[in-house]
Amino acid sequence: EPEVTQTPSHQVTQMGQEVILRCVPISNHLYFYWYRQILGQKVEFLVSFYNNEISEKSEIFDDQFSVERPDGSNFTLKIRSTKLEDSAMYFCASAASGANVLTFGAGSRLTVL
Amino acid sequence: GENVEQHPSTLSVQEGDSAVIKCTYSDSASNYFPWYKQELGKRPQLIIDIRSNVGEKKDQRIAVTLNKTAKHFSLHITETQPEDSAVYFCAASIRGADGLTFGKGTHLIIQP
Repeated sequence: EPEVTQTPSHQVTQMGQEVILRCVPISNHLYFYWYRQILGQKVEFLVSFYNNEISEKSEIFDDQFSVERPDGSNFTLKIRSTKLEDSAMYFCASAASGANVLTFGAGSRLTVL
Repeated sequence: GENVEQHPSTLSVQEGDSAVIKCTYSDSASNYFPWYKQELGKRPQLIIDIRSNVGEKKDQRIAVTLNKTAKHFSLHITETQPEDSAVYFCAASIRGADGLTFGKGTHLIIQP
């Protein structure tokens, strides 16, 4: 069964450092998403991406966040200057179309010290 | 924007009994309502979904009901088993997979 893969599985960083989280969506999917989940809390939408541009973003997705699809397979989330409150599990997800179901990756746990 | 409320936050049932988790949503334009199961430390996985043109959907021991007038939808699990223990999230969207808003989750505990 096709999977969304994410790397790294866990990253520890110092406050103020830049972090890049990587995702490889399912190959025939066209819609890509980032969600985050602070420990013990609900899954929160960050951003959706289609046709090489952001289609929607939440108020969490401020100027310190950016996304990119640098090639035909990767989808990245960059956090420019990490804060303590950015510590969370970040899930990438993809869908074949906007109307289709999401498939989540296993997540990247970010710990900001 | 959309607001999804989910209850209860914790639900403990005896193995073999039924479990019901309820969600309400605020945006009457929402038309897609998935339910995700998240086991400890793992990714959310879709277990069932319903679209607004359907009132009920069933898949073996799992069923979802939707009341568009009241803006609420529920997950029903019958004959619960230990492997049903997990956190369950409901979600709503006006555009399918786009921009899902999740509920806060229900920790379902199946007592042996």
